Amino acid sequence: AQSVTQLDSHVSVSEGTPVLLRCNYSSSYSPSLFWYVQHPNKGLQLLLKYTSAATLVKGINGFEAEFKKSETSFHLTKPSAHMSDAAEYFCVVSAPFGGRRALTFGSGTRLQVQP
Amino acid sequence: NAGVTQTPKFQVLKTGQSMTLQCAQDMNHEYMSWYRQDPGMGLRLIHYSVGAGITDQGEVPNGYNVSRSTTEDFPLRLLSAAPSQTSVYFCASSYRTSGGRIDTQYFGPGTRLTVL
Repeated sequence: AQSVTQLDSHVSVSEGTPVLLRCNYSSSYSPSLFWYVQHPNKGLQLLLKYTSAATLVKGINGFEAEFKKSETSFHLTKPSAHMSDAAEYFCVVSAPFGGRRALTFGSGTRLQVQP
Repeated sequence: NAGVTQTPKFQVLKTGQSMTLQCAQDMNHEYMSWYRQDPGMGLRLIHYSVGAGITDQGEVPNGYNVSRSTTEDFPLRLLSAAPSQTSVYFCASSYRTSGGRIDTQYFGPGTRLTVL
């Protein structure tokens, strides 16, 4: 079984300050982990993914995430928020088998960026 | 590449009407899926397909049918629309790794459906 918990449903930061979006997971297998971003009225787009190579993963638009097995976490960070980062972010875990539970989505974190 | 395309972008139906949401991808992905997104509930899997001719139910399949006659197309049919099916629908496609995991998903722009 696997699950994903995004610890904050809403995060608000000021432009130019750091962003931290938290994701904890549980999985009976070595997981693959993804962060997706969804801008208003758009589909989801991949930000970055972890697939058992380097534990610090760099993505698009200056985002990065660190896989910490001991803490079962995959938090998303960015050093300096930009207004265009305002969106909803989803943490996703992928299991090494097929079926309806092959992917598990977190419930999402809405990031608000204040000017 | 067009990626994943969905039509229509918006649709209003009356209760009891049927319709088909179209989804196509040009990346030769074997895995395709349909999700619905409702406020506060994240994305929920409706149906998925691991290749042409193979489909299976997801988390919330009731009231929906799918078929996969080609690798490219994966239409979603609403049999008899109900107000509870008012939602935003996303189609996605991806490869699977050699280990069977679903890799990066590519999402369409979505269809916003309202059932009156």
